[in-house]
Amino acid sequence: SAVISQKPSRDICQRGTSLTIQCQVDSQVTMMFWYRQQPGQSLTLIATANQGSEATYESGFVIDKFPISRPNLTFSTLTVSNMSPEDSSIYLCSGYRDLNIGEQFFGPGTRLTVL
Amino acid sequence: DQQVKQNSPSLSVQEGRISILNCDYTNSMFDYFLWYKKYPAEGPTFLISISSIKDKNEDGRFTVFLNKSAKHLSLHIVPSQPGDSAVYFCAASGTHTGNQFYFGTGTSLTVIP
Repeated sequence: SAVISQKPSRDICQRGTSLTIQCQVDSQVTMMFWYRQQPGQSLTLIATANQGSEATYESGFVIDKFPISRPNLTFSTLTVSNMSPEDSSIYLCSGYRDLNIGEQFFGPGTRLTVL
Repeated sequence: DQQVKQNSPSLSVQEGRISILNCDYTNSMFDYFLWYKKYPAEGPTFLISISSIKDKNEDGRFTVFLNKSAKHLSLHIVPSQPGDSAVYFCAASGTHTGNQFYFGTGTSLTVIP
């Protein structure tokens, strides 16, 4: 499996500001994803980060709020825009190489608190 | 709508005993199931998986059982060790879900030495 790192590991932000989270994989992966885990809830897929094209968003998530970039096969960013306290959550990126295997590996997560 | 449910938020087990973590799902189209383990301040790590063509998959101390008629899967850890203390998530996917993995809310396992 690959190793995924995320920056920052945690942040405290003011309402109305934006934060960009970086995700770096140590080797090329086919697919990269961004998840959110709100307190006491399961991991929820935000979007699939597509290399060289616009991300594919799940229902309830929009590009204006969560713009995503993936300039190459090992790096992606997620921006949480115009933050509100409801955006306080853990944000995780994940990836996998082989769709047939189905195993994803995850980054350590970014713990975001919005005041 | 929570398609994958873990109804026990926590579980405590004595070291050496069996830990049984349960997971239920609602969508009969799911055909691939996974368990992840998560330590604090770390991302989930893949533990074991099972496809719907099987009813059991074993890997060392970890065994996953799938009961398709009941839409239920369970993870057995035998014998349980203190290092197994973590949050365990089950996840499900299917060809109809595309890239979407549906996760349960997790069960926090504590193995008491």
